[in-house]
Amino acid sequence: DQQVKQNSPSLSVQEGRISILNCDYTNSMFDYFLWYKKYPAEGPTFLISISSIKDKNEDGRFTVFLNKSAKHLSLHIVPSQPGDSAVYFCAASGDSGTYKYIFGTGTRLKV
Amino acid sequence: NAGVTQTPKFRVLKTGQSMTLLCAQDMNHEYMYWYRQDPGMGLRLIHYSVGEGTTAKGEVPDGYNVSRLKKQNFLLGLESAAPSQTSVYFCASRSGRVRAYNEQFFGPGTRLTVL
Repeated sequence: DQQVKQNSPSLSVQEGRISILNCDYTNSMFDYFLWYKKYPAEGPTFLISISSIKDKNEDGRFTVFLNKSAKHLSLHIVPSQPGDSAVYFCAASGDSGTYKYIFGTGTRLKV
Repeated sequence: NAGVTQTPKFRVLKTGQSMTLLCAQDMNHEYMYWYRQDPGMGLRLIHYSVGEGTTAKGEVPDGYNVSRLKKQNFLLGLESAAPSQTSVYFCASRSGRVRAYNEQFFGPGTRLTVL
């Protein structure tokens, strides 16, 4: 049972345009969400996060939107750059005692 | 400040052999995690630790054991390797401070092949 789903395995976007990566979750107890970026042969690196008390968080070219009623979050990258080409994972957490995250399967972005 | 390091980077094992993967962090983090990454499966939690001397099972613990004898180290053991354990293994650590702004920091990974 996949609690965090990234239904698009890959996405191709032109340089300068907007990239939108989507993530859906099923567990309503999740209250903290993160996006990680991963280059080949490297470990994932943190990109941006959002708490369930917010519906938007921005950091430079990256914005994460959270729609709690739809159990959906999205990552917007504007403008997209070739260096953004990587695999993006969304992750969710609802366990404040262990801070365990459930990761999605990832979306490979090519710019 | 090296962050999270993993040893070895690559390893090939034969079925039935044993090995230990070492994870070390120099950030004085309380929480440490072991994940495996397989194609189309994302990152799945194997075991984790919330402090020195403690360990707990994650989503896919079977066939693995762990130990956290020192705060800075988290060891993942395979007692009898199987081809199904061919994967890329990532270690991560996290501060024990308040949850906001505290993501997990990942190591570079260990690519393990079991023949």
